[in-house]
Amino acid sequence: NAGVTQTPKFQVLKTGQSMTLQCAQDMNHEYMSWYRQDPGMGLRLIHYSVGAGITDQGEVPNGYNVSRSTTEDFPLRLLSAAPSQTSVYFCASSRPRAGGPNEQFFGPGTRLTVL
Amino acid sequence: DQQVKQNSPSLSVQEGRISILNCDYTNSMFDYFLWYKKYPAEGPTFLISISSIKDKNEDGRFTVFLNKSAKHLSLHIVPSQPGDSAVYFCAARFGNQFYFGTGTSLTVIP
Repeated sequence: NAGVTQTPKFQVLKTGQSMTLQCAQDMNHEYMSWYRQDPGMGLRLIHYSVGAGITDQGEVPNGYNVSRSTTEDFPLRLLSAAPSQTSVYFCASSRPRAGGPNEQFFGPGTRLTVL
Repeated sequence: DQQVKQNSPSLSVQEGRISILNCDYTNSMFDYFLWYKKYPAEGPTFLISISSIKDKNEDGRFTVFLNKSAKHLSLHIVPSQPGDSAVYFCAARFGNQFYFGTGTSLTVIP
């Protein structure tokens, strides 16, 4: 099992450019999510999905789009990058279980800089 | 507004001693609390969790305590080892969303 994979590892964008951060998992997990980590802010939830075809917003969804056409993939799209989106982005997945906390498995992260 | 807070950005402990990491929260509807450990340039990894209906959960060297009346949880690591040096995040679940604290950087001194 590769677990949760993210590409690219690093990316530099100019303001206004668009791009897609890729996330894939091979554990057949229903739940997938995207977080951003900023200094002094911890991890903040951007969007999440409880299964293919179902997505919902987290704490900080503005400026980001997601879709979930398969169980394995959960791409995050930046439509028009802004310097405020400079951050480290983590994708995570988990299998919800009754009576359990559904601990998440995280990818290695994508470090994005917007100039 | 931050619903989960870790007020100590850093902590240093001697090897073999106890490390205590603290976390406070504001939302009484959280049903699970989790601790994650993060090394530089890696994603967080799950460490231990506790249900809101319990007050203690133990897994090897790691014990999490929950005080619901104080809206406070703590992670105890005994004995601390140099390999425990990392950033520790507490997280809380409400529905399908997880809320993370800002992290505490633990350094275990050999």
